[in-house]
Amino acid sequence: QVLLQESGPGLVKPSETLSLTCTVSGGSMTSDYWSWIRQPPGKALEWIGYIYYSGSTNYNPSLKSRVAISVDTSKNQFFLELNSLTAADTAVYYCVTHLYASGWYDSWGPGTLVTVSS
Amino acid sequence: EIVMTQSPVTLSVSPGERATLSCRTSQGVGRTLAWYQQKPGQAPRLLIYGASTRASGLPLRFTGSGSGTEFTLTISSVQSEDSAIYYCQHYDSWPNTFGQGSKIEI
Repeated sequence: QVLLQESGPGLVKPSETLSLTCTVSGGSMTSDYWSWIRQPPGKALEWIGYIYYSGSTNYNPSLKSRVAISVDTSKNQFFLELNSLTAADTAVYYCVTHLYASGWYDSWGPGTLVTVSS
Repeated sequence: EIVMTQSPVTLSVSPGERATLSCRTSQGVGRTLAWYQQKPGQAPRLLIYGASTRASGLPLRFTGSGSGTEFTLTISSVQSEDSAIYYCQHYDSWPNTFGQGSKIEI
């Protein structure tokens, strides 16, 4: 079973850019889809976007203007960049894998808390 | 964007009792619905997809049903380890969206 692990800064300043990395182990990235999902404290889950190993992407319209997801299959990693941060971006960020572009989310990383504060 | 509405917000049950959670979608999604369980400090865990297909290793006491706009997750005999928040998610169209969650208290 594939394992995922998020990494990145726990604290970012408003207006700055968040950069997160998801490292995949136990399987190849040259199949399946790879998403980022976030969960503000005490709130529901929000899908941010996905990338396919080929590099094709799809983003949530609510975040599309601020987000970019990329992949490096040689390192078994994919990445999230989210710019123009505000306090509303404070959340636990999960990296997730799924079999179909539009489908259920099979395997999740443990998540990383990102706080946006000066 | 499809809006997901879950009820109840909190359900208090005793061990061995039946628990029924509801998920309603603002427009029909066929059977493109999944359920997840989330315990404190943990990532969500996939329980059900395709409205009624159990994920690998899921105990038989968990059953998903429904189609269109009305879906149900039933736990036939609640165990103490089922204390968690349960989320539904549709994948009929973009963006996929999640409900606000229903908390089961034992």
